Amino acid sequence: QKEVEQNSGPLSVPEGAIASLNCTYSDRGSQSFFWYRQYSGKSPELIMSIYSNGDKEDGRFTAQLNKASQYVSLLIRDSQPSDSATYLCAVYRSNTGKLIFGQGTTLQVKP
Amino acid sequence: DADVTQTPRNRITKTGKRIMLECSQTKGHDRMYWYRQDPGLGLRLIYYSFDVKDINKGEISDGYSVSRQAQAKFSLSLESAIPNQTALYFCATSVRGQETQYFGPGTRLLVL
Repeated sequence: QKEVEQNSGPLSVPEGAIASLNCTYSDRGSQSFFWYRQYSGKSPELIMSIYSNGDKEDGRFTAQLNKASQYVSLLIRDSQPSDSATYLCAVYRSNTGKLIFGQGTTLQVKP
Repeated sequence: DADVTQTPRNRITKTGKRIMLECSQTKGHDRMYWYRQDPGLGLRLIYYSFDVKDINKGEISDGYSVSRQAQAKFSLSLESAIPNQTALYFCATSVRGQETQYFGPGTRLLVL
């Protein structure tokens, strides 16, 4: 089992819809979680971080964390074609100081 | 954002050649990382450094070496390049006590 798992997709949604991206992790002691967006050929950029159970909203983005079930999700409301990218879930391991990345989910928003 | 820079941005080399990828940062961060990215495999950690005197192997360090010349500079070397080292390489930085990592623009390497 991979330490951080994501469905590679592609996930295809129409413009204006809600895109839901999911991530599960295996280390129950993990405390910090991140979502990065990566456009093709570009570097990952941080879009959300979440540390506590529940929801965290930032504009059109909402991160959701459920530590009991060991999953973290990212919702993108009113999806735009410019949201088409690969979304990387990352989990911080405090005992090593390393971020562990999932393989990423490719999102396609169709006009 | 030029806070983390990588040189070269693109490199074509031949099997057996030694090459060096360089990373510099002006963020004042103490921690630096080298990752490689292959299609469908996400980001995999090659080496990381928490300060100038601290170098650690990541999950795929075989065939690579690093040098932390200063707090702001972290270089990755391929001693004898092989075709399966063809990938996109990223440098990243972070600050002790803050988990967020910031990435450079990447180096696209092709080994023929």
